[in-house]
Parts: sequence; C-alpha cells; structure tokens
Amino acid sequence: DTGVSQNPRHKITKRGQNVTFRCDPISEHNRLYWYRQTLGQGPEFLTYFQNEAQLEKSRLLSDRFSAERPKGSFSTLEIQRTEQGDSAMYLCASSSGTGIYNEQFFGPGTRLTVL
Amino acid sequence: KNQVEQSPQSLIILEGKNCTLQCNYTVSPFSNLRWYKQDTGRGPVSLTIMTFSENTKSNGRYTATLDADTKQSSLHITASQLSDSASYICVVSGRMDSSYKLIFGSGTRLLVRP
Repeated sequence: DTGVSQNPRHKITKRGQNVTFRCDPISEHNRLYWYRQTLGQGPEFLTYFQNEAQLEKSRLLSDRFSAERPKGSFSTLEIQRTEQGDSAMYLCASSSGTGIYNEQFFGPGTRLTVL
Repeated sequence: KNQVEQSPQSLIILEGKNCTLQCNYTVSPFSNLRWYKQDTGRGPVSLTIMTFSENTKSNGRYTATLDADTKQSSLHITASQLSDSASYICVVSGRMDSSYKLIFGSGTRLLVRP
C-alpha cells in the first residue's frame, strides 16, 4: 500500500497519560499535515511540515501537543497529560507541494479516546 | 471570517435515487474547492477539485458545480448506491496569513437505504 498510513488506528488511554501517534506519508511527499476531527465536524488544521521543518502551528495546538518530523519522512504527534477533550480522530495528510491543486492525501486516522 | 457551511446536515435517500448537497463559503481570497467523501472511521478521500475558473467537474456518478460569484458549490450524486453512504465534506482552499489553508465544512451525512 503506497498511501498514507497511521498507527495506531485506535488508542484508549486514561486522563493524564501521554500518547504518541505516528504518520507515514506517501513516499517523496515533502509536505505533511496533522488535523483533528471531532464527531460530526470537519477536520481542523493543527500543524504542517515541509520536509523536517515545522512551518505552521494552529492555536489549537496547545503546549501539551508536540509534533516532529525528524528526517523529513514519518512524523509523530505526542499529546502529554491527555484530557477528555482531546478525544478525537487525528488525521494525517501528505502532499507533494506541487501542481495547482497541491492535493492532500489523507491517512485512515488514529481515533483517540481519553477516559 | 473564513467559513464553509454545508446543507443539509444529514440526508436519507433510497437506493437508485439522485441527491444534491450544498456548500456555501466565505473564504477569500479563494484558490480552489474540493469535495471529499469520508466513510465512517476512515480518512477523507478526494472526489473533485475545482479552481475558480471551473464551473463543473465530474467523477463517475459524482458531479460538482461551482459558482465563484455567489460562492456556492453543489455535489450531485446520480443513481445512488448503498456504498455512497458516508459523510461528504466541502473544503475550500484560501490564502490566510502567508500560506494556503484548507477550511473544512462540517459535512453532510448521507445514508442510502435499500
């Protein structure tokens, strides 16, 4: 499968615990995006990378959230001291950054449940 | 404020029937508009992408229209199938700050019944 992959697909954790999600983009896509989606809503932008540089972060990304893309390939999103309000689907997308559309291809998401 | 609004919120139709989903946006400046299909528990999959100069674009049984003057788009599904049951999300790309961002609508949840 050459699409965007995310792991784990589901994560259940207790409030206060730390969690880390991984995203593997489509090979050679230099742009990688993280989104959060709550039930019944569209995805909301969290942050994006061009290669290994984190170029933009949303105000939604509190200090408890950190994202990395150390070698410009896969990315991790860590949430520290999780809260119940963090329960959501976390989506990753990648794009080549070229073309008039700069189409983003989404992964299947990681569904986080904080108890 | 840059917003994308979709209607209806949810829709139930019988298999084989047609339906039309609506999207209004206030994003400016506007780059392009996309319709995505999102199955439950999955990531969104692109159906169509249109720039401001394109009025209509088709992808199989899906036809999207765009009126950049009124800032409205529609997605028409012909001869619906059970597998069309999903959320359909309208997404507008607009320039904010120093880069283009995708602004997502809340989606229309379509249920196709046999």
